[in-house]
Order: sequence, then C-alpha cells, then structure tokens
Amino acid sequence: DQQVKQNSPSLSVQEGRISILNCDYTNSMFDYFLWYKKYPAEGPTFLISISSIKDKNEDGRFTVFLNKSAKHLSLHIVPSQPGDSAVYFCAASGFWLTGGGNKLTFGTGTQLKVEL
Amino acid sequence: DTGVSQDPRHKITKRGQNVTFRCDPISEHNRLYWYRQTLGQGPEFLTYFQNEAQLEKSRLLSDRFSAERPKGSFSTLEIQRTEQGDSAMYLCASSLVIAGRAGTVKNIQYFGAGTRLSVL
Repeated sequence: DQQVKQNSPSLSVQEGRISILNCDYTNSMFDYFLWYKKYPAEGPTFLISISSIKDKNEDGRFTVFLNKSAKHLSLHIVPSQPGDSAVYFCAASGFWLTGGGNKLTFGTGTQLKVEL
Repeated sequence: DTGVSQDPRHKITKRGQNVTFRCDPISEHNRLYWYRQTLGQGPEFLTYFQNEAQLEKSRLLSDRFSAERPKGSFSTLEIQRTEQGDSAMYLCASSLVIAGRAGTVKNIQYFGAGTRLSVL
C-alpha cells in the first residue's frame, strides 16, 4: 500500500529551465509534507516543507504547491542548475495540526538530471 | 559538525551474525528515528524515540531487531541473526518536536549519511 506516490522515476531538464516534480498521496491524515534531496552515498537532505493550512511555500529557487482536494503536491525548481541533479523524495507526516509530528512516509523518488 | 552522525558507514557481515549500528542525533533534538532504504525505494520507517522512550515500531521491525536510546541521546540498532534480506541502507534522523504546540512545530527530520549493511 503505497500511500505516497511519485509516478515519474526520472526527469531530465535543461539548465535554466523549470523542473517540476510531482507527488500524490492517499492518506487524508497527512497534514505536513516535505521534500528531500539525496545524492549518492549521502542521507536525504531537507529542502522545503508545507503544512496543510497553506497551498504554497517558497524558499529561493524552490516552491512547493499543495492541492489538498486532489491530494497532490509539486516541487518547482527555477532556474534549474546542474548541481540540482539528484534523487528527490516527497514525504508526508500526520498529526502536525495536533502538535505532534511523527514518522515520515516517503515516495519512491524521482531522479532529476539537469543538463547543460 | 553538529549534524546527525552514524557509525559505521559500511558493514559487511555473514548471514547469522549480529550487527549493531550507532546514531548520534543533533544534540538538542528530542526525537530520533530509524529508517531502512532498499534500492529503488524511499526510506521506510522502522521505529522512533521521544527522548529515551520508544514510542512506535513498524511491522518491518521483526523480533530480530532491537533499538535503544538509553539516556535520550545516542541510539543503537541491533540486528540479530542477520539474513540476506536485511541488506539495506539504515538511516537515522532526528527532530525537535514540542508536544502540545499545535501547528507551530515543523517536523523536519534531519538525516545522517546512513550505514550500508551487506549480508553475505
């Protein structure tokens, strides 16, 4: 039962263009969402997060959009740079609204390649 | 370096042997998590601690697995009688969660570099 899904295993984008990574979830109890970036032989690195009371959060070149009715979120990277080439994981947790916050449920990741 | 550190980075063992991994979280963080990641998958939750209390264990954590966080600081994950199916990357993460402050806590988990286990 894959509660967080990243249906695109890979994405290739030219440097300077926009990268859009997508994520869908099925569990209505999820109320906090995060994106992580992972390079080979390293642990996941936190990028950006969004709570269920917002529909957009921006941090520099990274913007996360949340569509609760569609149970869908996306990560936009503008402009894309070669150093952004990595695997991107979407993750979700529950109980944020009640002051908790517990385990993360991850998608299977999307390999982003930014080409020169 | 004040990030999450894990030791060892790599472990090769023979089937049936016991192994133990260590995780040192970010010092002010009260929560510590263990995840396992296999090839082509995202990290999967194993267990987590709030200070020294183990609050949740996944069904993935069979009785051959045990985790401790004796003084609410570092944690160990032990696998007894290892099997080839245990081969994976074991990731540790930590976070600061303040109970009761609804909607104000960012449950951002910071990960270590992981321990890669190979069972031959």
